[in-house]
Amino acid sequence: AAGVIQSPRHLIKEKRETATLKCYPIPRHDTVYWYQQGPGQDPQFLISFYEKMQSDKGSIPDRFSAQQFSDYHSELNMSSLELGDSALYFCASNREGGSSYEQYFGPGTRLTVT
Amino acid sequence: QKEVEQDPGPLSVPEGAIVSLNCTYSNSAFQYFMWYRQYSRKGPELLMYTYSSGNKEDGRFTAQVDKSSKYISLFIRDSQPSDSATYLCAMSRLTQGGSEKLVFGKGTKLTVNP
Repeated sequence: AAGVIQSPRHLIKEKRETATLKCYPIPRHDTVYWYQQGPGQDPQFLISFYEKMQSDKGSIPDRFSAQQFSDYHSELNMSSLELGDSALYFCASNREGGSSYEQYFGPGTRLTVT
Repeated sequence: QKEVEQDPGPLSVPEGAIVSLNCTYSNSAFQYFMWYRQYSRKGPELLMYTYSSGNKEDGRFTAQVDKSSKYISLFIRDSQPSDSATYLCAMSRLTQGGSEKLVFGKGTKLTVNP
């Protein structure tokens, strides 16, 4: 079965650079969630989109922005990167009306800021 | 105080042991209670979810919820080396915007030794 795809899987950037993370949800899933998981930490909800509109916002820094496109894929744009942004970034997808337990997670993008 | 508390371990057991993983929570608004398994460098994978107090069994796994004590557990019977992973509890509640938000515990790292 198709799963959530994230790219790139690994990314190394320097401080103050920008990064773009991509997420391709499971086919026919129209809701996308972004999470940040620091080393040894629990995943923290950043932002979510439903039908290309932002549906909820969590602890996402102002330096980050995200959007969902017409094909339902989503991109997380991160600017002025800081060392503390080094983390695993997960995307999860869900179908309309699906409950939270029906979120399927991608493999994550590991971002390292040096 | 964090909404969800989980002992990060690590927990090391011999093969065949019964494993007990636990989380406590403080927000009585949580509706769904989930357990995720996360292998190293992979995304969280849903193991089980429950909605009400009581037990739910699936093979070697049993999820238990006690809403009166705000306490959830995951039991693994006849543990196998392949069960070695980090186990995250997660709970969902509605946000002000009406969407469901997942709140995770820190995860417990489990090692099952052959």
